[in-house]
Amino acid sequence: DQQVKQNSPSLSVQEGRISILNCDYTNSMFDYFLWYKKYPAEGPTFLISISSIKDKNEDGRFTVFLNKSAKHLSLHIVPSQPGDSAVYFCAALYGGSQGNLIFGKGTKLSVKP
Amino acid sequence: SQTIHQWPATLVQPVGSPLSLECTVEGTSNPNLYWYRQAAGRGLQLLFYSVGIGQISSEVPQNLSASRPQDRQFILSSKKLLLSDSGFYLCAWSVGPREGYTFGSGTRLTVV
Repeated sequence: DQQVKQNSPSLSVQEGRISILNCDYTNSMFDYFLWYKKYPAEGPTFLISISSIKDKNEDGRFTVFLNKSAKHLSLHIVPSQPGDSAVYFCAALYGGSQGNLIFGKGTKLSVKP
Repeated sequence: SQTIHQWPATLVQPVGSPLSLECTVEGTSNPNLYWYRQAAGRGLQLLFYSVGIGQISSEVPQNLSASRPQDRQFILSSKKLLLSDSGFYLCAWSVGPREGYTFGSGTRLTVV
């Protein structure tokens, strides 16, 4: 049972345009969400997070939006750059401050020059 | 600064052979430690986590086991590997999940 779903396995975007990566979750007890970026043969690196008390968090070119009623979050990258090409994982936290992250299957983003 | 070491980077093992993957963390005390596996089409699956020495929680039943003999050492083991154990194994640490996880560079395990 996949509690965190990334339904698009891949996404291709032109350099300079916006990339939108989507994530849906099923557990209403999740209260903290994170995005990780992963290059091949490397460990994921933390990108940006958002608490359920917010609906938007911005960090440079990266913005995460949270729609609690729809149990949906999205990561926007503007403008997209070729170096952004990677697999992006959405993750959700359950269990409060001692909980563990639940990851989605990831979306492979390709930014074409 | 905190660093995490994971080795080996790649490993090819025959079915039925044992496995030992090691992960060590530097620059922090009493971290939460995690073993994840990335298998094709499965995303990042949590296998084990530990909040302290000797404290291991398993998230999925399997023929793998984990141990934490020291505060900053986390070991993933198997007595007999299966073909289905192939994947990319990642160790991670955190002081609390809201602080984000820091992942190691991973081990690509191929069971043949």
